[in-house]
Amino acid sequence: TQTVSQSDAHVTVFEGDSVELRCNYSYGGSIYLSWYIQHHGRGLQFLLKYYSGNPVVQGVNGFEAEFSKSDSSFHLRKASVHWSDSAVYFCAARGGGRALIFGTGTTVSVSP
Amino acid sequence: NSKVIQTPRYLVKGQGQKAKMRCIPEKGHPVVFWYQQNKNNEFKFLINFQNQEVLQQIDMTEKRFSAECPSNSPCSLEIQSSEAGDSALYLCASSPWGGADTGQLYFGEGSKLTVL
Repeated sequence: TQTVSQSDAHVTVFEGDSVELRCNYSYGGSIYLSWYIQHHGRGLQFLLKYYSGNPVVQGVNGFEAEFSKSDSSFHLRKASVHWSDSAVYFCAARGGGRALIFGTGTTVSVSP
Repeated sequence: NSKVIQTPRYLVKGQGQKAKMRCIPEKGHPVVFWYQQNKNNEFKFLINFQNQEVLQQIDMTEKRFSAECPSNSPCSLEIQSSEAGDSALYLCASSPWGGADTGQLYFGEGSKLTVL
């Protein structure tokens, strides 16, 4: 069984601060990992993905994520957040099945 | 802005009523998914299509939910007899060939269903 967990339900940061959102997965085989952002009342937007190769992947709007097989993690980072980054962030994984498995999200609140 | 178009954005139904949602996938995307997102941000995969054929669906979908993706028409998801527990945001996502395999989906804005 494949699972995705996001340990932080809510993160509050100041504009200009860095942020790291944690994602851990469980799956025994090869896995595709991705991050999505959902602004309030909107659909999900793709940020980045990883399958193989360089464990650090770059995404849109300055986001990057780092895969760690030893930690079963795929944490998302941004060096300097903007107020528009306030949203819910979802980590997702695709292992053996075709459907994505999502975590329950981390709400990021950016204060001025 | 999303290129996956979902209508309506909001719908309110009484228990036992039918609820129908539509989705126009992004042009050229043959793979379509439907997900249910509840108020606790839990996602439930419902069904997915490749062109007009169902690839995978869960048991719940087989009983009260029906979905189709006819050629040259919007995809649709219909709940035959709505229940309070069906209140959720229903998200449609599409993907080009191979995109779904890599976990990159393109989502619509969703249809928020409220069952009174």
